[in-house]
Amino acid sequence: ETGVTQSPTHLIKTRGQQVTLRCSSQSGHNTVSWYQQALGQGPQFIFQYYREEENGRGNFPPRFSGLQFPNYSSELNVNALELDDSALYLCASSLVGGTHNTDTQYFGPGTRLTVL
Amino acid sequence: AQSVTQLDSHVSVSEGTPVLLRCNYSSSYSPSLFWYVQHPNKGLQLLLKYTSAATLVKGINGFEAEFKKSETSFHLTKPSAHMSDAAEYFCVVSPAAGNKLTFGGGTRVLVKP
Repeated sequence: ETGVTQSPTHLIKTRGQQVTLRCSSQSGHNTVSWYQQALGQGPQFIFQYYREEENGRGNFPPRFSGLQFPNYSSELNVNALELDDSALYLCASSLVGGTHNTDTQYFGPGTRLTVL
Repeated sequence: AQSVTQLDSHVSVSEGTPVLLRCNYSSSYSPSLFWYVQHPNKGLQLLLKYTSAATLVKGINGFEAEFKKSETSFHLTKPSAHMSDAAEYFCVVSPAAGNKLTFGGGTRVLVKP
């Protein structure tokens, strides 16, 4: 177990709706990254948050947005859901900066989103 | 820019025989390289990572990988496969500490009794 938790585990929405996914990072970590994993593919980077600021974004439209809170937990919001948004959404936490700089990201179990 | 190519989408081995999963990468920087494993309906677990120290990296569960800069490869091996090794394996590259990860397409490993 990595200590990274995500909620909910499964979610079913209809096209056009909005969804919020949540992630609690491992204790002591200050960075959260979000990935989308479509069926049969490798995860794709959505964006990363470091100390509550967006710190890099992949090739995803603006309807994918996020937040990071002072306790370093995070949310991923997706507006105007499309059928192709159906995927496993993974968050990963890491510790960046200071004397313990590390590029190892530890993943949560994911949220399976189905858009009908 | 960075990219990862996993040369085999599926690998089938018999229990007790060696496993070889092939990975080639492309990166503009001296990258960090990782192997992650994903069991069915589970998240990603880190097997091992390379960060410019020894070129032969030992990981968990008997896995190891060798970084070959001249070949831009980072192949994963295990001397003797176990039934519990059946899973999807991802080779991953990162340009710098804390940065985004770029995943290969994955290799699904089937272990036959």
